[in-house]
Amino acid sequence: AQSVTQLDSQVPVFEEAPVELRCNYSSSVSVYLFWYVQYPNQGLQLLLKYLSGSTLVKGINGFEAEFNKSQTSFHLRKPSVHISDTAEYFCAVSALLAQKLVFGQGTRLTINP
Amino acid sequence: NAGVTQTPKFRVLKTGQSMTLLCAQDMNHEYMYWYRQDPGMGLRLIHYSVGEGTTAKGEVPDGYNVSRLKKQNFLLGLESAAPSQTSVYFCASSLMYGGENYGYTFGSGTRLTVV
Repeated sequence: AQSVTQLDSQVPVFEEAPVELRCNYSSSVSVYLFWYVQYPNQGLQLLLKYLSGSTLVKGINGFEAEFNKSQTSFHLRKPSVHISDTAEYFCAVSALLAQKLVFGQGTRLTINP
Repeated sequence: NAGVTQTPKFRVLKTGQSMTLLCAQDMNHEYMYWYRQDPGMGLRLIHYSVGEGTTAKGEVPDGYNVSRLKKQNFLLGLESAAPSQTSVYFCASSLMYGGENYGYTFGSGTRLTVV
């Protein structure tokens, strides 16, 4: 079975500062990894995904994530955040060739002016 | 292209009442899911379906039932609502193509309050 731990429940940053949201996973098999974003009172939208290939994955809105197999991590980064990035971010994992996603507890990103 | 549509968006129930949440997708996805979202607990899988006429239990199935009579629809039922079922419910669908998981498409959620 897979599990996901998002190491920070809340991350406050100033506008235009860089940010890293941390995600670690546990699995005995190879995995797919995902980051989703949830803006207030909305559903979840896919930010980016790692299926295979390059370990650095670029997503929408300037976000990127790096898959580190040895550290079982998939941290999300953005070099300069904007007020509009205020949202909750979820990391998710599925086993290779499987469909079901297991989600982390979420990280609330707050951008201060 | 509507994607995944959930109805209703909001509902208040009294303890013991029943209701059905409807999820409809127009992307011809085989897989559909119901999650609940509670503060600090992320999303937890209630039930899912891998195709028309099939359903399976997820992580927190107790108190819920589901049906998938048509490929595009996935219904979540609460037979006797309890305050512990106060939550935001999300439906999602997904497609597996060529053995790869392309991720979920989510609906906008149903906010349910049981009093």
